[in-house]
Amino acid sequence: GNSVTQMEGPVTLSEEAFLTINCTYTATGYPSLFWYVQYPGEGLQLLLKATKADDKGSNKGFEATYRKETTSFHLEKGSVQVSDSAVYFCALDSSYKLIFGSGTRLLVRP
Amino acid sequence: EPEVTQTPSHQVTQMGQEVILRCVPISNHLYFYWYRQILGQKVEFLVSFYNNEISEKSEIFDDQFSVERPDGSNFTLKIRSTKLEDSAMYFCARRSGPTDGYTFGSGTRLTVV
Repeated sequence: GNSVTQMEGPVTLSEEAFLTINCTYTATGYPSLFWYVQYPGEGLQLLLKATKADDKGSNKGFEATYRKETTSFHLEKGSVQVSDSAVYFCALDSSYKLIFGSGTRLLVRP
Repeated sequence: EPEVTQTPSHQVTQMGQEVILRCVPISNHLYFYWYRQILGQKVEFLVSFYNNEISEKSEIFDDQFSVERPDGSNFTLKIRSTKLEDSAMYFCARRSGPTDGYTFGSGTRLTVV
């Protein structure tokens, strides 16, 4: 069945460092791909999405490119801030429901 | 877009009791979902609801669970006889159409004691 695999956390970075959170997927066809973010004590917020191969989703300085050849959707940000500390979930749209990865906790230190 | 509102934000209940979790999406959305997140773990799909019917449910969604849209706007998840392992964060979600994004509520933290 369809699934999403994320790198395990926590990922600990200093402010202004470069961020990569790896995400790979297994799916039939070409599902839409998403990144959601969960700040401490809050719900899930859509960060960005891509609906077809080679699409790049971007928001708040975060980017991810839909790579069908490597079945990946890695999340990147050039310069993280303390306020980016959160849990990040990669997800794919599978038969009209979302399937989530296990989440990656990001800790950004001043 | 307007947020999805969930109530209550936190509920504590005794094992064996019934709980009803509520979600207020916007009425012109067709697709509704319940997900849960056990503390520190991944977000798991429970059930999808389309055109006032269950369209898909997971293995987690057993006979203890039910969903309703009683008045055309509220969307409820009922757990008939709660177990300790039902303690989790429950998220409601909606989408307007099959290619749109999913909007999640802020969640209800259920604690079964």
